[in-house]
Amino acid sequence: QVQLQESGPGLVKPSQTLSLTCTVSGGSISSGTYYWSWIRQPAGKGLEWIGLIHTSGSTNYNPSLKSRVTISVDTSKNQFSLKLNSVTAADTAVYYCARAPPLLSAFDIWGQGTMVTVSS
Amino acid sequence: SYELTQPPSVSVSPGQTASITCSGDILDDKYACWYQRKPGQSPVLVIYRDTKRPSGVPERFSGSNSGNTATLTISGTQTMDEADYYCQAWDSTTVVFGGGTKLTVL
Repeated sequence: QVQLQESGPGLVKPSQTLSLTCTVSGGSISSGTYYWSWIRQPAGKGLEWIGLIHTSGSTNYNPSLKSRVTISVDTSKNQFSLKLNSVTAADTAVYYCARAPPLLSAFDIWGQGTMVTVSS
Repeated sequence: SYELTQPPSVSVSPGQTASITCSGDILDDKYACWYQRKPGQSPVLVIYRDTKRPSGVPERFSGSNSGNTATLTISGTQTMDEADYYCQAWDSTTVVFGGGTKLTVL
């Protein structure tokens, strides 16, 4: 059974780059056709989609974050990654990675989430 | 940009039916799905493609999508169903979430 696990620094300074990795276990990230995505949730607020990378390597980003976001995949490590630059306190949130099979049009597997705080 | 609107809160008595709505422009032209999120846990998919229920999700969860509104219905609501519920749809190649609805069972 496929599982996702986020990892990365829990504290990032303002104006720096937030970098997170999602490790896929129980299956190959390059097998099948999936969207691999990053989603976040600030405390007391709703879910916000950040962006995704398709198995083919193509990416799509939330228009409100597009100028600051890069999502990439490393098939040799069975991982995909998020980079969010020029962070501010508004980027403090729990960050989730998730998988969406196109046939479902929904995210069927989620990581446990990792808390990232932006503070000096 | 496309938006999905949910009521902030819904209350229901145990054993009764809870309905949570999600509104968006011509939403029935898209597929809607629903997630349940309990405190300290990751979201769990409970309905996809408007009406389909993933394996393991109780039959009391059902969904519909017509016109501008998708609806999540929980029949015979149990106290364990108390959670935040989020709708989600795809707008072309981007993903949109509703603001979430807190379901209180009391």
